Parts: sequence; C-alpha cells; structure tokens
Amino acid sequence: DAGITQSPRHKVTETGTPVTLRCHQTENHRYMYWYRQDPGHGLRLIHYSYGVKDTDKGEVSDGYSVSRSKTEDFLLTLESATSSQTSVYFCAISDVSRTTGELFFGEGSRLTVL
Amino acid sequence: KNQVEQSPQSLIILEGKNCTLQCNYTVSPFSNLRWYKQDTGRGPVSLTIMTFSENTKSNGRYTATLDADTKQSSLHITASQLSDSASYICVVSGLSGGSYIPTFGRGTSLIVHP
Repeated sequence: DAGITQSPRHKVTETGTPVTLRCHQTENHRYMYWYRQDPGHGLRLIHYSYGVKDTDKGEVSDGYSVSRSKTEDFLLTLESATSSQTSVYFCAISDVSRTTGELFFGEGSRLTVL
Repeated sequence: KNQVEQSPQSLIILEGKNCTLQCNYTVSPFSNLRWYKQDTGRGPVSLTIMTFSENTKSNGRYTATLDADTKQSSLHITASQLSDSASYICVVSGLSGGSYIPTFGRGTSLIVHP
C-alpha cells in the first residue's frame, strides 16, 4: 500500500471555526491532490499541488486553501467552516514521471460541520 | 469541459453472475483511463490502467476495454463474489495547461447478493 496518511480521520466542528486536514506521504511523489466526495457527486477536486509551494485550484476550491511547504505534506484549510463543507475528504498522490499517472488515495477524513 | 459519464448508476446482481459497467468520456487530449474500486468507508484503489494504444486489460476477474475512437470503456466482472460489492469509478486523465488532471465519473454502485 502507498504510504499516505490523513489526519484527522474524523472531525466534528462548528460553523465558523477553522479546520486543517493534513495529508502526509512517504512515497516522494510530485503530485498531491485534495478531493471531496459527496453522495451524487462522486469525487471532486478541491486543490492540487505539482511541487513544493506550487498549487492550483480545482473545480470546487471556494472556501478552501492549501499549502505545501515540503514534498511529503499537503495541508487543506477551511478558514471558516460551513455546513456545506460537511463531506469526506480524500488526499491522493501521483508520480507523473512514471507515466502511469496512477492515483493512490488515503483512507479519507470525515468532516462534520454543525 | 472534460466529462466522464458512467452507467448504470447502481446495479444489483446475484453471486456468481457476470456484469458489465460502462464509461463514456469527453476528455481531450486523452492520456489514460483507469478503473478504481472503492469499498464502503475506504479510499479508491486502482484496478486497471489503460493508455491510448491498449484495447483490453485484465486484472483477475476484472477485464477493462477501451475504444478510444468512440471514447468508451467498459469494466467486465466475471463470476462475481460478495467482496465485489463496492463503487466502481472511471477516471480519465488528460494534460491541461501543462498539468496532469484526472476527471472522475460519479461511479457505479454494485451490490452482489448471495
């Protein structure tokens, strides 16, 4: 199994509070992604990173920010959580240089915003 | 806009039977297509990866086909088992603005009954 660790795995918070989810990899892969998964929508890309300090927005980036200060860590921050951000968040990694482009996913972080 | 459509949305079959899941895409330029299996409460795991030149790829009882001309793919499951109950996600990847971005289908939920 790819070395991807998400933390926390479960979190309940209140509307308006800041939340940070962490993704840690031990594979030294270049690309890291944050997705959210909701019923009826499948996996939707929030933000992704193609290197240290190199990030870009995905299709549902509003209300989220990310940071990648080192290869192994990719942080997703909700500055002021809203109930619409209740979801399961998945981190994924990929090493495009291997040309397969396979995504390896973490186990997910379930966030509930009350 | 890149899109991936999967059908059916859900499927119920009896153990031991075969089934076929469909994926149609409009991603361009095309890089590769992958099928993922996602067990309940877990992250997706890759089943098969196919590039433009590959028509068929097998992984045990799973066989994926790709028709790059019609932009269609199928995942055939032979002699289904209870452990095949999961969501199956089609992911099509293409280069966009110099970055590698996968586009996800919403998945087909498969339930295998004894």
